Amino acid sequence: DAGVTQSPTHLIKTRGQQVTLRCSPKSGHDTVSWYQQALGQGPQFIFQYYEEEERQRGNFPDRFSGHQFPNYSSELNVNALLLGDSALYLCASSLDYSYGYTFGSGTRLTVV
Amino acid sequence: KNEVEQSPQNLTAQEGEFITINCSYSVGISALHWLQQHPGGGIVSLFMLSSGKKKHGRLIATINIQEKHSSLHITASHPRDSAVYICAVKELKGAGGTSYGKLTFGQGTILTVHP
Repeated sequence: DAGVTQSPTHLIKTRGQQVTLRCSPKSGHDTVSWYQQALGQGPQFIFQYYEEEERQRGNFPDRFSGHQFPNYSSELNVNALLLGDSALYLCASSLDYSYGYTFGSGTRLTVV
Repeated sequence: KNEVEQSPQNLTAQEGEFITINCSYSVGISALHWLQQHPGGGIVSLFMLSSGKKKHGRLIATINIQEKHSSLHITASHPRDSAVYICAVKELKGAGGTSYGKLTFGQGTILTVHP
């Protein structure tokens, strides 16, 4: 039973570019949440997707957008990249209204 | 002030020592998670608590809902326990206490266990 799969594992982008990160949730999970973790900090909530809709959003600008597909997989898009967007991006899946989460290994994004 | 505070931020121990990491939170929660993160980033869920105490091997987690406090204990610590330990809470949200599942994380505790 596969857990949460994130791709790519590492990515280097130039300031101003756009990036798409992908997440496949654990089998049976229908809710996907995205988090940003800067170096030395705890993860910060970006947004959560359920039934292909953004259900809850953290304090991130509109440059951060997402999508959830009918198979529950999800994408995180970041436009007009800034140096400060360099971070580990984590995806976590869960079954709605349950308490358990499974985390992916993350995508390490470096903006130069 | 952060909604979730952990202490200490850094912890160094000798192999075999008993370790305690503390977590205090200020919001209403439906559950509290203890997570382990190794270099490279991947997060592993250790415990999910809504009351009382849980034990798994050498790890013990407790929570006091009234005091809004949780502790993670490691007995007979080992160098392979070296990692970042993170406390995260699932906040109560929405009508009737519906929890949409947003996790709020502490800043993490860096644990180093020396042989």
